[in-house]
Amino acid sequence: GNSVTQMEGPVTLSEEAFLTINCTYTATGYPSLFWYVQYPGEGLQLLLKATKADDKGSNKGFEATYRKETTSFHLEKGSVQVSDSAVYFCALSGISGNTPLVFGKGTRLSVIA
Amino acid sequence: EPEVTQTPSHQVTQMGQEVILRCVPISNHLYFYWYRQILGQKVEFLVSFYNNEISEKSEIFDDQFSVERPDGSNFTLKIRSTKLEDSAMYFCASSETEQYFGPGTRLTVT
Repeated sequence: GNSVTQMEGPVTLSEEAFLTINCTYTATGYPSLFWYVQYPGEGLQLLLKATKADDKGSNKGFEATYRKETTSFHLEKGSVQVSDSAVYFCALSGISGNTPLVFGKGTRLSVIA
Repeated sequence: EPEVTQTPSHQVTQMGQEVILRCVPISNHLYFYWYRQILGQKVEFLVSFYNNEISEKSEIFDDQFSVERPDGSNFTLKIRSTKLEDSAMYFCASSETEQYFGPGTRLTVT
């Protein structure tokens, strides 16, 4: 079945550091890929998405590129801020965004000033 | 900006009791979902709902669970006889082309 593997956390970075959170997936066909973010005490918010190979999703300075050859969708940000502290979830769904999401375990990011 | 809302934000119940978790999806969305997140674990899919019926469910969604869209706006998850292991955060989501999540209901079964 479909699955998502994320790097284990927690990740602690200083402000303005470069962020990479690794995500790889196993899926049949051509899934859509997502990053969701969960700020403390809140629900899941869609951060970015990519629906086909080589697509780059981007939002709020975060980027991730759909790499079919390596089955990866790593999240990156060039300069993190304290306000980026949250739990980040990589997820996939079927070709249609209306199929159930399969989530990774989440990676907790703490950014210190 | 439209958003998914959920009530209550926190529900405490005794083992064996029935609970109903409520969600108001985004108004023009046609697909609805329930997920749960046990503390410290990954978010897991429970059930999806489209056109007034269940379209897909996971093995977690056994006979003690049911979903309903009782009117044009609400989407509910009922747990008939709660167990300790049902303690989790329950998220509702709705979608048109991508899923938007509510803030969650934290269910504590004692």
